[in-house]
This record gives sequence, structure tokens and C-alpha cells, in this order.
Amino acid sequence: QVQLQESGPGLVKPSQTLSLTCTVSGGSISSGDYYWSWIRQHPGKGLEWIGYVFYRGSTFYNPSLKSRVTISVDTSKNQFSLKLNSVTAADTAVYYCARLRGAGTRGWFDPWGQGTLVTVSS
Amino acid sequence: QSVLTQPPSVSGAPGQRVTISCTGSSSNIGAGYDVHWYQQLPGTAPKLLIYGNNNRPSGVPDRFSGSKSGTSASLAITGLQAEDEADYYCQSYDSSLSGWVFGGGTKLTVL
Repeated sequence: QVQLQESGPGLVKPSQTLSLTCTVSGGSISSGDYYWSWIRQHPGKGLEWIGYVFYRGSTFYNPSLKSRVTISVDTSKNQFSLKLNSVTAADTAVYYCARLRGAGTRGWFDPWGQGTLVTVSS
Repeated sequence: QSVLTQPPSVSGAPGQRVTISCTGSSSNIGAGYDVHWYQQLPGTAPKLLIYGNNNRPSGVPDRFSGSKSGTSASLAITGLQAEDEADYYCQSYDSSLSGWVFGGGTKLTVL
């Protein structure tokens, strides 16, 4: 079965760029009608969808974060990545990668990675 | 303020039935977009519990069920067990926001 694992720095300085990678195992990132997504959860709070990438490279972002977000895919490594620039303390959160499946806007997220805490602090 | 509104907490005794509501609007649930539910155990990632309003993935007990009507949806848990103590989130799509949205989460306490 497909498994996802996030990796990247746990501490980022304000105004810098947060960079995370999600490695997909147990299946090809290029197979099927899946959209590879990033979701975050602020400490003690709810979930916020950040955006997704299709294996062919097309992307779709949360309009509230669109100006700062870039999601890309590397099919040769079975990975996809998140870059969030100009971070502030408000970007401190647990970041999850997840597979968006289902028919387009009817989609749901499954499975999820275990999540990685990123703290923005000097 | 989440786009989908859930009660912050619910509780029930072992064996009882509880329901968790998820209230949306005409741009998400009311527009016909499906509702999905996730269970998040303490310190872990969310796990899919219900998809497509009322479908259970393989491995999810039939004690969990979902329903949707109008601009709202509900998750019902029967035969409550101690291991059900977790946070529960609903999720849908919102056409006004052009993206996937979640409820604020409901903490279930098993008394």
C-alpha cells in the first residue's frame, strides 16, 4: 500500500523559505488520477489545505497562500516538494503530505504522511 | 473561523451513540460537494474514516457512519469505545474559496 513520508528542516528563520519533501513508497507517483497534496495544521488548531501537484506538473494552490507557495514533482525520485517563501511565525505548523483521490472536487485525502513540525523562529 | 462548522467537543459513555455535526453553506456542502471524515488520534496524522458522505474504507468498523442533508453532514459513532477518543474533522470542497476545506474539528471524549 502507498505510504508517504515528509522530510525537511524543523526550524526556519523568519523571512526565509520553508522547504519540505514528501517521498512516496509502495506505488508510483505517476500512476492513476491522484493529486499529491500538502496540508498543514497550526498547533492545537484545524487543518488547512495548501495545494497539490499532478504528476505531469500541473498545480493548484489555496488562494490564500498562492503568492508564496510552489509545489513541484520529481517523478524519477517518486517525490513531490513544497516551498513556502517569506515565512513568519504564523507559518509554524505541522505539515502533512497526502494523496488527494476521488473525482476532482469530490476528492478526499488518503493516505497521509506522519507529518513534520516546522517552527519559524530566529 | 473554519468554513465548515463543527462543535468543539462531544462526549459519551462507552456503548453509547454520539453524533458530530458539520455545517456548511451553499458554496460547499449545499452545492452538492461530497463530505469526508477523518479521525486524528493524539499525536498522529489524520486518518480517513468516511469518504463520499457515507462510505467506509476497508478496515473502518461499521460503528462509524456518515450522512449528508442540505448544507450539513453528520458522523455517527455507535457502541462507543475508549479507543474512539480522538479529534474528528469533516472536509469538503468550497467553490467560493476554490479549494478543499476542513471543519475546525471536534474532540470526542469517552467518559
